[in-house]
Amino acid sequence: NAGVTQTPKFRILKIGQSMTLQCTQDMNHNYMYWYRQDPGMGLKLIYYSVGAGITDKGEVPNGYNVSRSTTEDFPLRLELAAPSQTSVYFCASSSDREEKLFFGSGTQLSVL
Amino acid sequence: QKEVEQDPGPLSVPEGAIVSLNCTYSNSAFQYFMWYRQYSRKGPELLMYTYSSGNKEDGRFTAQVDKSSKYISLFIRDSQPSDSATYLCAMRRAGGTSYGKLTFGQGTILTVHP
Repeated sequence: NAGVTQTPKFRILKIGQSMTLQCTQDMNHNYMYWYRQDPGMGLKLIYYSVGAGITDKGEVPNGYNVSRSTTEDFPLRLELAAPSQTSVYFCASSSDREEKLFFGSGTQLSVL
Repeated sequence: QKEVEQDPGPLSVPEGAIVSLNCTYSNSAFQYFMWYRQYSRKGPELLMYTYSSGNKEDGRFTAQVDKSSKYISLFIRDSQPSDSATYLCAMRRAGGTSYGKLTFGQGTILTVHP
C-alpha cells in the first residue's frame, strides 16, 4: 500500500537549471496538490488538480508548471530554478470532497 | 498580517503532561479546521478535523474551535514521547471548490521527554 510516492527525495540544482518533481498515487484519488514548505512559514499551495486534464493555480504558482495526463500522476516542473525555490515540496491527494489529504514524504530541493 | 498565526514554539514537556497548541486566524471565511501532525522528514498526516464551533474528542486528542474569537486549539492529554512532532493547524473556506486548498499555520514543534 504505497499511497503517495514522490521522487527524488533530495536534489541540488544550479540556478537556471530545470527539473521535474515526480508524484504518483495509487489510491485512485481525483484530487491532487503540490505544496511547498519553507522553514517557519507553513505549507503553501502551488498548484492543484481535480482530475485528469484539469489543473489550476494555487497561492504561489510563479516559476512552476504542472500537468495531469493520468489520474495517478501529477508532476511539478521547474523551468528556470531560482534560489527562492529552495524548499521542501510535498505532493498530496484526496478523494472527492474529502477533508483528509494524503501527503507524500517530500522532496528537499536546494537551488545554489 | 498572516491569515493564520501559530506559535512556533518549540514546546518541551514531560511525559504525561497536558499540551495545548493554538492558532488564531483573521479571515472569517475559514469554516473548516484541521490539525495535522508531521514527524521529522515525513509528510503531514491528518490528526483532527472539525467544522463547527465547540469541542471534538478523539482518544487523547481534543480539538476546540471558537469561530467568534477566530481561535482554534488542540489539546493532548497524557502526552507520550511518540507525540513528539510538528503540529500544523490548517483551515479552508466553505464551498466545494475549496477542498484541499488549505491555509496552514507555521507549525509548533513539540518534544515530549520521558
